[in-house]
Amino acid sequence: EVQLLESGGGLVQPGGSLGLSCAASGFTVSSYGMSWVRQAPGKGLEWVSLIAAGGHSPTYADSVKGRFTISRDNSKNTVSLQMNSLRAEDTAVYYCVKWKNDQSVFDYWGPGTLVTVSS
Amino acid sequence: DIQMTQSPSSLSASVGDRVTITCRASQTISIYLNWYQQKPGKVPKLLIHTGSSLQTGVPSRFSGSGSGTDFTLSISSLQPEDFATYYCQQSYSDPTFGQGTKVEIK
Repeated sequence: EVQLLESGGGLVQPGGSLGLSCAASGFTVSSYGMSWVRQAPGKGLEWVSLIAAGGHSPTYADSVKGRFTISRDNSKNTVSLQMNSLRAEDTAVYYCVKWKNDQSVFDYWGPGTLVTVSS
Repeated sequence: DIQMTQSPSSLSASVGDRVTITCRASQTISIYLNWYQQKPGKVPKLLIHTGSSLQTGVPSRFSGSGSGTDFTLSISSLQPEDFATYYCQQSYSDPTFGQGTKVEIK
């Protein structure tokens, strides 16, 4: 059974940094694209970043480019999101999501972790 | 970036009604359009992929159509469990979502 579990959310001051981690089970992250999608309170879904299977370069939404970094640890079967220079508008639930390569869809979602950027 | 625009942003409907939600892309995306349903406090659920392919386990009252820039999600006979927010998402390039359409009880 595919499962994703995020950790690392919390309260951080503007300009600060936070690292999120996503533990995957039931599949190997190296074989699939993995993504982070966020949802601000009461708002819609916003794609943040995608790391494709294989050696392709990660991609980022313009809103986080240069501040966020996605990475994958195949030995631990985890995906991470390092978030720097955080802003109030980064406040959201961050979902770790599996990308189904052949259909180009988000097929499994973690329960999400809340990141709050506030002084 | 490809922008996705859904309409309407919200709608009120009754059980048994036929409901249609549209999604327009800012440039052609072929058939690379997916639809998700999200209920309050829950994660999104994939309903339809590549424009019109029903995800396994999704009731047949849901259907999708379209190609190029204009797409439609239809619910043939709205059921109580269908009251939710629906999002379109393009996968032609870096993924982007529509702003969502909230389906409420009339």
